[in-house]
Amino acid sequence: EAGVVQSPRYKIIEKKQPVAFWCNPISGHNTLYWYLQNLGQGPELLIRYENEEAVDDSQLPKDRFSAERLKGVDSTLKIQPAELGDSAVYLCASSLNRAWTGVSTGELFFGEGSRLTVL
Amino acid sequence: GENVEQHPSTLSVQGGDSAVIKCTYSDSASNYFPWYKQELGKRPQLIIDIRSNVGEKKDQRIAVTLNKTAKHFSLHITETQPEDSAVYFCAAFMNDYKLSFGAGTTVTVRA
Repeated sequence: EAGVVQSPRYKIIEKKQPVAFWCNPISGHNTLYWYLQNLGQGPELLIRYENEEAVDDSQLPKDRFSAERLKGVDSTLKIQPAELGDSAVYLCASSLNRAWTGVSTGELFFGEGSRLTVL
Repeated sequence: GENVEQHPSTLSVQGGDSAVIKCTYSDSASNYFPWYKQELGKRPQLIIDIRSNVGEKKDQRIAVTLNKTAKHFSLHITETQPEDSAVYFCAAFMNDYKLSFGAGTTVTVRA
């Protein structure tokens, strides 16, 4: 079974340019996460989707960041315009949460990440 | 929200010795505590986890202990090997599906 797939793996852009990242979660996983990981730090949640609904975007800088998960499968994360401080790895993860039991399985499966460098 | 603190930030151990990483969490509602291993340039991968109804869990050379009263949990790696060198992240998870990560511990196993 394929894992979480992200693209591109690496992106170098100049500041003020737009950039977009794509994520394909594990088939059947209803929950999708976008995390930001700075060098030497743990992942920080940007946004979480339950199917196609963004249920937690409190940490997403909405002035320049946007995300969507059309049809509740693939997701894209966009930054426009990018700033120098946005240089980081953007990790996508998915999990299977059994909402009907009120209990989450918990385990997140991560993609390889998209490393952004803003010059 | 949940706040997870992880110590130490770096850990160097002689191959064959044990390594221990400790984490504390702030929200008593957290009920799931996974540990992820991330090798350089790779994705974080789950290595072991524990739920709040269990005090200890072991899987070969790795074990995790949980003290709910004190709100801390620890990762123990015994008989460390070179392939154990990586960054390890603890995390705390609540029923609203939010996973909060610690800052990570860089483990270096010396030959």
